[in-house]
Amino acid sequence: DAGITQSPRHKVTETGTPVTLRCHQTENHRYMYWYRQDPGHGLRLIHYSYGVKDTDKGEVSDGYSVSRSKTEDFLLTLESATSSQTSVYFCAINKGQGYNEQFFGPGTRLTVL
Amino acid sequence: SQQGEEDPQALSIQEGENATMNCSYKTSINNLQWYRQNSGRGLVHLILIRSNEREKHSGRLRVTLDTSKKSSSLLITASRAADTASYFCATDRADDYKLSFGAGTTVTVRA
Repeated sequence: DAGITQSPRHKVTETGTPVTLRCHQTENHRYMYWYRQDPGHGLRLIHYSYGVKDTDKGEVSDGYSVSRSKTEDFLLTLESATSSQTSVYFCAINKGQGYNEQFFGPGTRLTVL
Repeated sequence: SQQGEEDPQALSIQEGENATMNCSYKTSINNLQWYRQNSGRGLVHLILIRSNEREKHSGRLRVTLDTSKKSSSLLITASRAADTASYFCATDRADDYKLSFGAGTTVTVRA
């Protein structure tokens, strides 16, 4: 158990509303990631963080922002949700043990109507 | 863009048979990893092979890496119903803490 929780686990929202997803880790690891998973695309990196207040964009960052004010929490915000952001969102951590293995949370299923 | 591509997209086998799936990638890598995802769950790390390794074993898993062909294969021997899942390869580059995932292979093991 990597000690990663995500909240909420399921959310239905309407187009144009802001949405924030939370990822929480219990072990204070430096690297955290947000991915989205869509059929036929595997996992695509949205944003990642390499420390408190240190974040960078991934390959599909448009329409998303992140914040990390504490080591244990990494927030993903959809500023104005669109139907194309309907997806399953996964948070992951890297324990920094040298080989880049990542440990994943249980996922958040987001539906934008 | 994604680095890895798995082949086949889907695989159906009988319990007890072996399952083989392949991953091809585009640019030089530092490590290649394989992950499993059971339906409705997060990904779980299975095995990692470094760019200077050619083969690695872990239980019923065997991974090979051919850097000249930019490809890897994952073999699951004596498959069980519990091996039913999607399998993803992921690559990284030196001094980079990001992973690039393929689209995955869905394996169904029939009883």
